Amino acid sequence: DMKVTQMPRYLIKRMGENVLLECGQDMSHETMYWYRQDPGLGLQLIYISYDVDSNSEGDIPKGYRVSRKKREHFSLILDSAKTNQTSVYFCASSFRDNTLYFGAGTRLSVL
Amino acid sequence: GEKVEQHESTLSVREGDSAVINCTYTDTASSYFPWYKQEAGKGLHFVIDIRSNVDRKQSQRLIVLLDKKAKRFSLHITATQPEDSAIYFCASASSGSWQLIFGSGTQLTVMP
Repeated sequence: DMKVTQMPRYLIKRMGENVLLECGQDMSHETMYWYRQDPGLGLQLIYISYDVDSNSEGDIPKGYRVSRKKREHFSLILDSAKTNQTSVYFCASSFRDNTLYFGAGTRLSVL
Repeated sequence: GEKVEQHESTLSVREGDSAVINCTYTDTASSYFPWYKQEAGKGLHFVIDIRSNVDRKQSQRLIVLLDKKAKRFSLHITATQPEDSAIYFCASASSGSWQLIFGSGTQLTVMP
């Protein structure tokens, strides 16, 4: 079954707390992505990972970091979350043809 | 930076009519143009794409047109059905790039 799984689906945190968003895929895809989706802005790329420990900044990496220690797992970390990081976060993976498979998203509220 | 502009933020059509969503891009090196659909509360999923070596592609009720001169591409949904209601995103990528640039999305509503 081809699936990208995101945990948790919903998360409420206070400003200054650390946040860990987790993503897993069962397709052995090399490339994985983290996006955030805000109304009127579409999807903005935060980080892209080409394989284990091979990560690159996307368009809006400030305030985020990532970890990829296994091919099937990609984490997004917010150290000391800010209110402007309230958003819906999507993880995606792809093989070699640019077709992205998305998770269902994590809705994060930072109060 | 490079951009993809999606011209219609909302679009309403009657069931059975056609819907057209238009996008323009700025990067002349763009060569891959996918479309994604997002249903309420869910992630995006791929629906159709077109590459720069062709100017038209059809998959059942979906048609994608590409005008490289105008740097414009469009998604045509024919004989719309209520289940076509969703947000549609266009995107582009340059040859050899893994990074898609997304438009801001079009909320399509198909009215019975």
